[in-house]
Amino acid sequence: ETGVTQTPRHLVMGMTNKKSLKCEQHLGHNAMYWYKQSAKKPLELMFVYNFKEQTENNSVPSRFSPECPNSSHLFLHLHTLQPEDSALYLCASSQDLVTSRKTQYFGPGTRLLVL
Amino acid sequence: GQQLNQSPQSMFIQEGEDVSMNCTSSSIFNTWLWYKQDPGEGPVLLIALYKAGELTSNGRLTAQFGITRKDSFLNISASIPSDVGIYFCAGQITGGFKTIFGAGTRLFVKA
Repeated sequence: ETGVTQTPRHLVMGMTNKKSLKCEQHLGHNAMYWYKQSAKKPLELMFVYNFKEQTENNSVPSRFSPECPNSSHLFLHLHTLQPEDSALYLCASSQDLVTSRKTQYFGPGTRLLVL
Repeated sequence: GQQLNQSPQSMFIQEGEDVSMNCTSSSIFNTWLWYKQDPGEGPVLLIALYKAGELTSNGRLTAQFGITRKDSFLNISASIPSDVGIYFCAGQITGGFKTIFGAGTRLFVKA
């Protein structure tokens, strides 16, 4: 148990569906991240939020829409995804974005399959 | 851009053997992190290194922050079957918020 939870753990959706992934951290951190992990590829950073403000959008397609209502919760809204978007989506948090406090703690991930 | 070269890509070892894996980069990092990922789970932090030359242990695991700040290694002593998984290195630089991840070393342990 890392203190970061993600729901759902598994999700199957069609290309016309709208779904949302949820992440919650119980560590008192102020920065939260979304990563995409595809088979045999390094982790790909998607979005970064620090104190609820988005600091990074790593050229992510608009069919992925993040939302950070407070420092403990992070959502990833999904709309009209493509099969190549199937992957493990990982949420992480860190104390903030300052050196030595950027160490990230990951949730268990949501395994997404787009049909 | 910044990249980490992690090696080996995979290792097949016998239970009880020691294991060594490393990460190198052409860039200088101020923090090195080592994670382990079990199938179907997220990466779990094993060791964090914040100073060049730092040597840190966590049970049977030992990691070092290279003097040049461009490399790091992770050793596992007396491996056991539950050490199976993917081990990732990650580097961070001062002033940036990105964490650069290696591609992972997949470890298989035969009982």
